Amino acid sequence: GAVVSQHPSWVICKSGTSVKIECRSLDFQATTMFWYRQFPKQSLMLMATSNEGSKATYEQGVEKDKFLINHASLTLSTLTVTSAHPEDSSFYICSARLQGNSPLHFGNGTRLTVT
Amino acid sequence: GDSVTQMEGPVTLSEEAFLTINCTYTATGYPSLFWYVQYPGEGLQLLLKATKADDKGSNKGFEATYRKETTSFHLEKGSVQVSDSAVYFCALASGGATNKLIFGTGTLLAVQP
Repeated sequence: GAVVSQHPSWVICKSGTSVKIECRSLDFQATTMFWYRQFPKQSLMLMATSNEGSKATYEQGVEKDKFLINHASLTLSTLTVTSAHPEDSSFYICSARLQGNSPLHFGNGTRLTVT
Repeated sequence: GDSVTQMEGPVTLSEEAFLTINCTYTATGYPSLFWYVQYPGEGLQLLLKATKADDKGSNKGFEATYRKETTSFHLEKGSVQVSDSAVYFCALASGGATNKLIFGTGTLLAVQP
């Protein structure tokens, strides 16, 4: 079945540095990818919708200059957390689908800890 | 805006007990409704879905019925197993061009032998 690979699974970085998270669709071409953030005991909050070859659409309240999303190919989207701060520590999850009403496939998530 | 509310966990049950996890939603229009499951150390997986009122989604012994009159989509299973221990997320998709998913907070289910 369809698989979405997310890398790294966990990362620790220092305040002020940038961290890149990759989301790859392994056996299908994903026209759309979504990035979510999950706080402890809270729901997955949609951060942005990424369409291949175009700029990402960010949800209200998400800083696009802080959370840079690139969807350069049909199999890869990246989320870069720039100038990370401890409050950016969270669990980030990507999902991908082939087209409009296709099922969504999720990555295993990335645990980011900013010290 | 659209939202999903589900019961807080953790829910702790003995093996073979009956499970209900409540989920209600608020949405304009007619959303599709989903239950996702996240087993320890794994990504979210679609468990079941329903796309219109009175539809019943079912999979692996789990069921949920789309109730428009009560705006609910409660998850049920008649006899849980230890292997059902996971976090369960209720979600809705509002449709449209992006058809993005909106999730509830998740409910941790722990089944004891």
